[in-house]
Amino acid sequence: EVQLLESGGGLVQPGGSLRLSCAASGFTFSTYGMSWVRQDPGKGLEWVSSISDSGSLTYYADSVKGRFTISRDNSKNTLYLQMNSLRADDTAVYYCAKAWSSIDYWGQGTLVTVSS
Amino acid sequence: DVVMTQSPLSLPVTLGQPASISCRSSQSLVHSDGNTYLNWFQQRPGQSPRRLIYKVSNRDSGVPDRFSGSGSGTDFTLKISRVEAEDVGVYYCMQGTHWPRTFGGGTKVEIK
Repeated sequence: EVQLLESGGGLVQPGGSLRLSCAASGFTFSTYGMSWVRQDPGKGLEWVSSISDSGSLTYYADSVKGRFTISRDNSKNTLYLQMNSLRADDTAVYYCAKAWSSIDYWGQGTLVTVSS
Repeated sequence: DVVMTQSPLSLPVTLGQPASISCRSSQSLVHSDGNTYLNWFQQRPGQSPRRLIYKVSNRDSGVPDRFSGSGSGTDFTLKISRVEAEDVGVYYCMQGTHWPRTFGGGTKVEIK
């Protein structure tokens, strides 16, 4: 059974940093691209970033480019999202998702709140 | 960026009746590999999204056969043949052909 377990969310002040983690199990992690998708509470879905299976290719939404960094550790079956220079409009539930063209599994999400 | 336009925004449906959601893209979603990466997701209240349909018309394992996807190029449709109470939620289309990936704004299905 595929499982994606996010962690690392919380309350942070504007301008601060957070690192999200996603522990994956139930599939061969190193053979799949992975993605982060976020959702403002009560609003729609926004793709944030994706990374290839090896980690050599990364893609970002314009809204986070230069501030967020996606990475992965295939030896630990873990996906990361380093978020710097956080702003109020980054407040959202962040989902880890398997694959990048046809996302097929989602984690339960972790809430990031950016507020003073 | 590819804009995904869903309609309607809200869809009140009588139990047992059909429902149809439209998703239009601002560019063709045919990938250079020949596939069309158009996905449909269901998000029930308080839950994470769940994929229903991938590559336009392929139903995921465990998805009831009352759900079907169709379309090509820039025009796609998700149909529910007979709406059941468990189908209440928000439905999103998403394109996985072009970077950045983009989602439709969502269609809220509710029971009349």
